[in-house]
Amino acid sequence: KNEVEQSPQNLTAQEGEFITINCSYSVGISALHWLQQHPGGGIVSLFMLSSGKKKHGRLIATINIQEKHSSLHITASHPRDSAVYICAVFSRPFNSGGSNYKLTFGKGTLLTVNP
Amino acid sequence: NAGVTQTPKFRVLKTGQSMTLLCAQDMNHEYMYWYRQDPGMGLRLIHYSVGEGTTAKGEVPDGYNVSRLKKQNFLLGLESAAPSQTSVYFCASTRAGSYLNEQFFGPGTRLTVL
Repeated sequence: KNEVEQSPQNLTAQEGEFITINCSYSVGISALHWLQQHPGGGIVSLFMLSSGKKKHGRLIATINIQEKHSSLHITASHPRDSAVYICAVFSRPFNSGGSNYKLTFGKGTLLTVNP
Repeated sequence: NAGVTQTPKFRVLKTGQSMTLLCAQDMNHEYMYWYRQDPGMGLRLIHYSVGEGTTAKGEVPDGYNVSRLKKQNFLLGLESAAPSQTSVYFCASTRAGSYLNEQFFGPGTRLTVL
C-alpha cells in the first residue's frame, strides 16, 4: 500500500467548476505539502499545512490530522489550472536530532480544465 | 535570484556511459535533494545533503553518487548508466530549521539511457 494516496488519478472539468482533489496518508507527522507540476515539468509549492485550512486566491487546502486526510479545492476553475497536483507528507526525520524531514510523495492527480 | 537551476536540461546516454548532473541554488539553503520522477510513480528521493561536505542516501540511491563540495552546488553522478536510470531528475533545496520550510525545485533534467 502506498504511503500517500491521491484521488482521483485523473480529473476533467469544465471551466468554472469547483474542483476537489483528495490525499490520504498512512505515515507522516503533522504536515503536508501541496505541489503543482505544469505540463512543462516545473514544480512549484502551493501550500504547506500543519493544521486547519489555508487559502491563496482560488485555491484552498485543508488538512485533518486525526483522519490523516487533506483536500485541495479550486474554485472557479480555469484552463490555466490544468496541471498535475501532487500531495506530499512530511515523514520521518533525515538525521537523528535534525529538525528537517523528508517528503513522501503521492503519484499526483492530473487535472484538465476545458474551456 | 535564479532560484534552483539544473544542468543539463536533456541528455541521452548509452548504457555504461557516465555523466554528472549539476544543481545550483542561490538562496543560501542548507539542505539539498535529488529526486527522480518516473511515470506512474511519485517523486523518489535519491540522495540528500544537510550541509556542505555532507551527503546521505535516500530511498533509491543505488547506481548514483553525489557530492556537495560547495554549499550552493549539489552534484549527482552516474558512473555507469543503465536503462533503468531513464527518468526525469529534479533537484530541490530548502532552509534548515523547520519541516514547514518550502522546498524549491529546479526545472528538471530529462535523461534517457539507451
